[in-house]
Amino acid sequence: QKEVEQNSGPLSVPEGAIASLNCTYSDRGSQSFFWYRQYSGKSPELIMSIYSNGDKEDGRFTAQLNKASQYVSLLIRDSQPSDSATYLCAVNRVSGGNEKLTFGTGTRLTIIP
Amino acid sequence: EAGVTQFPSHSVIEKGQTVTLRCDPISGHDNLYWYRRVMGKEIKFLLHFVKESKQDESGMPNNRFLAERTGGTYSTLKVQPAELEDSGVYFCASSRKTVAASVFSNQPQHFGDGTRLSIL
Repeated sequence: QKEVEQNSGPLSVPEGAIASLNCTYSDRGSQSFFWYRQYSGKSPELIMSIYSNGDKEDGRFTAQLNKASQYVSLLIRDSQPSDSATYLCAVNRVSGGNEKLTFGTGTRLTIIP
Repeated sequence: EAGVTQFPSHSVIEKGQTVTLRCDPISGHDNLYWYRRVMGKEIKFLLHFVKESKQDESGMPNNRFLAERTGGTYSTLKVQPAELEDSGVYFCASSRKTVAASVFSNQPQHFGDGTRLSIL
């Protein structure tokens, strides 16, 4: 079992619709959860972080965390063609000052105009 | 502020040669990380510096890889000798100093564009 699992996609969503990206993780000790967006050949760019159960909203993005189910998701409202990218889920367990991120393989999202 | 900068952006070398990758973190970031993504796989952790000290090097694949961060500023990752399986994209990330041992001390990591390493 992978430590962080994501549907690899590709996920195609019409422009203006809601894109829903999902991620599950295996380490119950995980404390911090991140969504990164990566355009081809570019750096992973942090778009959302979430630490507590529930929803966190930032503009068109909403992250949802359910630690009991070991599940984290990202919703993108009013999807735009510029949202087409690979979305990486990453989790972190801070232990003794060690803060390495564990990534999923990423979900490729395509917004169809 | 300037982001994380990596050099070179792309390197092509033959098996058995040596390659050195460089990372300049965001100014003032004490934490520096190296990650690697091989084709078709997820990004994987290699090691973590706090200033000039190696905090965690559990992800380093073998002793052909040597990372340094002299003076706690930029870092280098040397592969010697390179093998075919070392091909991939090497990412560097940095973050601010961890303030306290709590979840809120987990400062976000900011990534560079990566170095694409191809071993022939």
